[in-house]
Amino acid sequence: DAGVIQSPRHEVTEMGQEVTLRCKLISGHNSLFWYRQTMMRGLELLIYFNNNVPIDDSGMPEDRFSAKMPNASFSTLKIQPSEPRDSAVYFCASSHGQQNTGELFFGEGSRLTVL
Amino acid sequence: GDSVTQMEGPVTLSEEAFLTINCTYTATGYPSLFWYVQYPGEGLQLLLKATKADDKGSNKGFEATYRKETTSFHLEKGSVQVSDSAVYFCALRVKAAGNKLTFGGGTRVLVKP
Repeated sequence: DAGVIQSPRHEVTEMGQEVTLRCKLISGHNSLFWYRQTMMRGLELLIYFNNNVPIDDSGMPEDRFSAKMPNASFSTLKIQPSEPRDSAVYFCASSHGQQNTGELFFGEGSRLTVL
Repeated sequence: GDSVTQMEGPVTLSEEAFLTINCTYTATGYPSLFWYVQYPGEGLQLLLKATKADDKGSNKGFEATYRKETTSFHLEKGSVQVSDSAVYFCALRVKAAGNKLTFGGGTRVLVKP
């Protein structure tokens, strides 16, 4: 079975540009999590969805960040405009909400560099 | 709020040495506890878990015991290999929060031949 698929794997952009990160959930999973990983702050939960509905977005840094789930298997995280401090690895993870085991399945991450 | 504290790394040790990574937690509810591992260039993956007090999670030679009295979930391995070099994350989940996990800061482990 395919795991969580993220794209792009690497993105280098200039300050002020729009960045869109994409994530495809594992088939049958209905919970989706976006995490950000930096050396300084470690792993931070940005937002998570259950059945396409945002449940907790308290970790979203500011209005420049937005996340959507246009359908049950796909999500985007958008940063507009991007800033150098947004440079990080962004992970998407999914889980089967009904099984409620606490196990998350992570993608390989999208490494973002904002110059 | 819920939080996880784990020892800072990096932890550097030789092959076949004993590894311990300390993890303590605070939680408003009665949490489940997890250890995730991140190999270089990859996402996190579940290593082991425990859902109630005194449970022992184990996998790939790693073990951790859920200690409610000390609010701890220390990770141990008796004889590490070079392939165990990775970043290890302790995490908790409170049932009321669904599958949302709270992670510790991660501990980088480097095993030298």
